[in-house]
Amino acid sequence: NAGVTQTPKFQVLKTGQSMTLQCAQDMNHNSMYWYRQDPGMGLRLIYYSASEGTTDKGEVPNGYNVSRLNKREFSLRLESAAPSQTSVYFCASSEISRGYFGPGTRLTVT
Amino acid sequence: EDKVVQSPLSLVVHEGDTVTLNCSYEVTNFRSLLWYKQEKKAPTFLFMLTSSGIEKKSGRLSSILDKKELFSILNITATQTGDSAVYLCAVVGTSYGKLTFGQGTILTVHP
Repeated sequence: NAGVTQTPKFQVLKTGQSMTLQCAQDMNHNSMYWYRQDPGMGLRLIYYSASEGTTDKGEVPNGYNVSRLNKREFSLRLESAAPSQTSVYFCASSEISRGYFGPGTRLTVT
Repeated sequence: EDKVVQSPLSLVVHEGDTVTLNCSYEVTNFRSLLWYKQEKKAPTFLFMLTSSGIEKKSGRLSSILDKKELFSILNITATQTGDSAVYLCAVVGTSYGKLTFGQGTILTVHP
């Protein structure tokens, strides 16, 4: 099992550019999440998906869109990147008892 | 709305000290409480707690949950510099396992 995989690991964007962060899990979990983590702060939930075909906003959804393509994949899209979106992004999936994290994507917006 | 609050936000100790990290929560349909350790990469799982009063232990780390008072503590005895990290508490709630994290405690252990 690969667990939770994310691509890319690093990305530099210019303000206004768009990109999609990809996430996949092979553990057959229903729930998947996108978090961002900024220096000195905890993990803040951007969007989550309780099951295939459903998505809900988390704490900081502005500037992001998501797509739960199927049970395995949950992508995060930045339509027009802003410097405030410079952060480390983590994808996670969970079952009832615990959560599993991807390795993270370090995104810099200049 | 589910809420998790950790304290202290940061802690500086010397090797050999014992530390206690706190996590309080408000969550709908509590399922479990999780502790993670994060060192400059993705969080790694430490403990899962579901029942009150039962201590989970792994080496120098231990944790316990109080479901009546809605909190958990993580103890680290005889701290080492390798324990320096951010410790994250999360709760799993609702019927579909929604994960809500606290802001984390930054632990720094000096030699």
